[in-house]
Amino acid sequence: DTGVSQDPRHKITKRGQNVTFRCDPISEHNRLYWYRQTLGQGPEFLTYFQNEAQLEKSRLLSDRFSAERPKGSFSTLEIQRTEQGDSAMYLCASSPDRVEVGELFFGEGSRLTVL
Amino acid sequence: DAKTTQPTSMDCAEGRAANLPCNHSTISGNEYVYWYRQIHSQGPQYIIHGLKNNETNEMASLIITEDRKSSTLILPHATLRDTAVYYCIVRATTSGTYKYIFGTGTRLKVLA
Repeated sequence: DTGVSQDPRHKITKRGQNVTFRCDPISEHNRLYWYRQTLGQGPEFLTYFQNEAQLEKSRLLSDRFSAERPKGSFSTLEIQRTEQGDSAMYLCASSPDRVEVGELFFGEGSRLTVL
Repeated sequence: DAKTTQPTSMDCAEGRAANLPCNHSTISGNEYVYWYRQIHSQGPQYIIHGLKNNETNEMASLIITEDRKSSTLILPHATLRDTAVYYCIVRATTSGTYKYIFGTGTRLKVLA
């Protein structure tokens, strides 16, 4: 399978714990996005990478959230000191580096439940 | 990015055309219209995009009004598998932000 893969698919944690999600984009895609989605809402933009450079961050990405893409390939999203409000689906997407980008390729998401 | 307005939900009979409207009255000249859909428990899937002209691919057709203030996504022969949330997004592709801003979309239910 050459699509976007995310790991883990499901994570249950206790409040205050740290969690990390990994995203492996499609290999030739330079752009990588993280989104968060809660029940009944559309995906909310969190951050965006062009290769290893993090070019844009949403105000939703508080100090407890950090995203990296160290070698311009896979990316990690870490949430420190999790809160119940962090419970959501975390979606990763990638796209090729073209001026007119018509298509984001999404992974299946990582569902976080904070108890 | 311009905001979009979509109906919250729609029903469509199986085999009939599903016409999903989207209003984007503040769209700028360099902003494209994109449509994605999200089937339950999956990541969103790209459907189609356009600037001014109507577009068609194997999944759907996109009709954009001449003033570009609204558009319609057409699924010509809806099937049960088309039941999903459909998102209309407007986005510029010139230098700067490349993010997509999703709204709450239209929940389409295809009825047998």
